[in-house]
Amino acid sequence: AQSVTQLDSQVPVFEEAPVELRCNYSSSVSVYLFWYVQYPNQGLQLLLKYLSGSTLVESINGFEAEFNKSQTSFHLRKPSVHISDTAEYFCAVRKAAGNKLTFGGGTRVLVKP
Amino acid sequence: EAGVAQSPRYKIIEKRQSVAFWCNPISGHATLYWYQQILGQGPKLLIQFQNNGVVDDSQLPKDRFSAERLKGVDSTLKIQPAKLEDSAVYLCASSNPTANRNSPLHFGNGTRLTVT
Repeated sequence: AQSVTQLDSQVPVFEEAPVELRCNYSSSVSVYLFWYVQYPNQGLQLLLKYLSGSTLVESINGFEAEFNKSQTSFHLRKPSVHISDTAEYFCAVRKAAGNKLTFGGGTRVLVKP
Repeated sequence: EAGVAQSPRYKIIEKRQSVAFWCNPISGHATLYWYQQILGQGPKLLIQFQNNGVVDDSQLPKDRFSAERLKGVDSTLKIQPAKLEDSAVYLCASSNPTANRNSPLHFGNGTRLTVT
């Protein structure tokens, strides 16, 4: 079975500062990796995903994540955050041959002015 | 395209009472999921349907939880009787792997259950 660990439960950060959210996974088979974002009182929305190809993937709102197979990591970064990035971020893993998502515990990002 | 619809948004019940949640997935999505998200934790899969058949219910507490998707479209999740530890947000999601093997999951806004 696969599992996901998000090392930071909360990350406070000032507006326009960079942020990194750490995600490590374990799996005995090939996996796909995802980051979802959950704004207050809303459902989860897909932020970005790694399926194959380039290990660096980007979202339309400036986030990026790099798949590192040797370190079994998929950390999420943004060079300059906005107030509107305040949300909870979930890393998730799925077996390449399946469609069941396993989520990490989430990282709450609070962007301060 | 309309998103995944869930109702109600909020529900407060006393322990030992029953409760039911409803989900209408995106039109044409064959796969439907129910997740439980306890405060401070990531979502945990309860049950996965492919059309009207159950694919995975290994983490569903079957002594009190039940779910159905009789016509392969809408789904209901029921808890009977509820316990305090069932307080959580119940998320429904759908996907269409027959159209795209890597079809992402689309989530509804969830039903927040409080058991007192």
